[in-house]
Amino acid sequence: SSELTQEPAVSVALGQTVRITCQGDTLRSYYATWYQQKPGQAPVLVIYTKNSRPSGIPDRFSGSTSGNTASLTITGAQAEDEADYYCNSRDSSGNHWVFGGGTKLTVL
Amino acid sequence: QVHLVESGGGVVQPGRSLTLSCAASEFTFSTSVIHWVRQAPGKGLEWVAVIWSDGGTKYYADSVRGRFTISRDNSKNTVYLQMNSLRAEDTAIYYCARGMSAGTTSYYFDYWGQGTLVTVSS
Repeated sequence: SSELTQEPAVSVALGQTVRITCQGDTLRSYYATWYQQKPGQAPVLVIYTKNSRPSGIPDRFSGSTSGNTASLTITGAQAEDEADYYCNSRDSSGNHWVFGGGTKLTVL
Repeated sequence: QVHLVESGGGVVQPGRSLTLSCAASEFTFSTSVIHWVRQAPGKGLEWVAVIWSDGGTKYYADSVRGRFTISRDNSKNTVYLQMNSLRAEDTAIYYCARGMSAGTTSYYFDYWGQGTLVTVSS
């Protein structure tokens, strides 16, 4: 099975830009998807298909991919963006799914 | 608005069984792929299982294969997760989520339920 690796924690000053990364060989074949999870809540889809946002997700969230690394960028981070972020993709078999370990984002 | 509601969680002894339900509304359930994803206390998300819309195709994570069975009843808009031979490490919040495909290289879980807590303890 494939693995996705994320940095455990990242911090950003209010209003600044932050990038969260996700590395894995499967990302050469499948786009990463990004989820936001706040304490006590279910995950929420924020980015899919490279750089698409569901309705209601602010345009300060964007995604990109280069080689085996996907990135989630928050441009002008807000206090409400403080949360855990998970990347996700299909694994190399295409029939299983894998999540990254998650990145805890702190907005200072 | 798509709605997924999990139920059936609780406290169960190691080695025993439990069945979770995921009830869906406000979307065409019978054509939807449904996944189970779990999250152990203080830990990250772990994909558990998936069932195709007609129920004919199912896949499981290595950690649960042979112990868990996913099924669905499209007449009741419900997906089930039967969990046998439960272990302490199965303790987690179990979420169901709808899977969506956007071509061969893109897949995402667009709607999630609020989860149901399973605690395996003696």
